[in-house]
Amino acid sequence: AQSVTQLGSHVSVSEGALVLLRCNYSSSVPPYLFWYVQYPNQGLQLLLKYTSAATLVKGINGFEAEFKKSETSFHLTKPSAHMSDAAEYFCAVAGEAGTALIFGKGTTLSVSS
Amino acid sequence: EAGVTQFPSHSVIEKGQTVTLRCDPISGHDNLYWYRRVMGKEIKFLLHFVKESKQDESGMPNNRFLAERTGGTYSTLKVQPAELEDSGVYFCASSQVVWADTEAFFGQGTRLTVV
Repeated sequence: AQSVTQLGSHVSVSEGALVLLRCNYSSSVPPYLFWYVQYPNQGLQLLLKYTSAATLVKGINGFEAEFKKSETSFHLTKPSAHMSDAAEYFCAVAGEAGTALIFGKGTTLSVSS
Repeated sequence: EAGVTQFPSHSVIEKGQTVTLRCDPISGHDNLYWYRRVMGKEIKFLLHFVKESKQDESGMPNNRFLAERTGGTYSTLKVQPAELEDSGVYFCASSQVVWADTEAFFGQGTRLTVV
């Protein structure tokens, strides 16, 4: 069965520092993996997705994630945090049927000046 | 182009009452999904429509929840009667095609509080 574990419910960084949000997955089939972001009072927005092409995936707003099969990980990174990156981030894997998404519990990113 | 729209944005009802949530997907999107996030927990899948047909309703918690998508356009999710544990944020999403690598666009969610 598919599942996702996000390590750390809350991550705090300083502006300009590296952002690293961790996600590990379990999948019985080659996975499709996603990172979504939710800014305050907004819906979920797709940051990036992995669909079995390049293992290093670049997304919007300077974020990227690397698919590592050996580690069953899909961590999200950004070299330099901005105040505007403060939001909740969700890692997700497509279900076995290939349609519905299975989400992690989310990680809230705080950015301080 | 309008995104996925959900009504209402917030709803506070008493236990035992009925509430109906509405979702208007992006025009032309045949696939519509409902998800729910209970406080402190992960976002969980409820069901998936393809046009007006229920493709997968394996995530519906019990028979107090009824989802419809008449005419394959907007969808409603009715909770009757509501219980305290139904409180949470209900998200709707839509996508043009069903494949897993297709982006699903999410609405802002409806925050339901049952008191």
